Amino acid sequence: GAVVSQHPSWVICKSGTSVKIECRSLDFQATTMFWYRQFPKQSLMLMATSNEGSKATYEQGVEKDKFLINHASLTLSTLTVTSAHPEDSSFYICSAPDSTRNTIYFGEGSWLTVV
Amino acid sequence: GENVEQHPSTLSVQEGDSAVIKCTYSDSASNYFPWYKQELGKRPQLIIDIRSNVGEKKDQRIAVTLNKTAKHFSLHITETQPEDSAVYFCAATTRYTGGGNKLTFGTGTQLKVEL
Repeated sequence: GAVVSQHPSWVICKSGTSVKIECRSLDFQATTMFWYRQFPKQSLMLMATSNEGSKATYEQGVEKDKFLINHASLTLSTLTVTSAHPEDSSFYICSAPDSTRNTIYFGEGSWLTVV
Repeated sequence: GENVEQHPSTLSVQEGDSAVIKCTYSDSASNYFPWYKQELGKRPQLIIDIRSNVGEKKDQRIAVTLNKTAKHFSLHITETQPEDSAVYFCAATTRYTGGGNKLTFGTGTQLKVEL
């Protein structure tokens, strides 16, 4: 079964609204999670590093006020796309390293469509 | 930061032939190099990985080679089958250092195995 669960799988929202995507580690604790964005036929681009109990670290060019990340517990990180625009439509995917299993796990991904 | 280049962007082979995808990386501190297969709309699936203390690793029809001096690593798929058709990504990271497991992905290779 899934070790990292991501929800929702699909979401359609109107321009100007906000959308929250959740990433949960189901059977391990993740002090760090990563959020990626993937546009069609392109690679996965790291947006930010989510750190439990502290501020997220954003990659260059990613607006921290637009993409809000919260990592309030050792098993949950959320990405909120605020004031969404059609150009934010993309596949968003999280990952979490499990140091015990020495493995990096990915969530299922979330398709966001902004209309 | 790390920069990973991947070639070719598309690769078409006949069933049963071999396929080779090559990547280069820039950060000499990178020490973990996974390869992922991704089907449309799905999470990346780890197919093989290699650590910097190893030059080659093989798992049935799949092998990966690493040249640390040249900062090159390659994926080799032998006896290709139609179900191998997908997008393949290489990635690089420094593993389990502070802020580790931040994967930098290559640009992807669309592999098509033709009957």
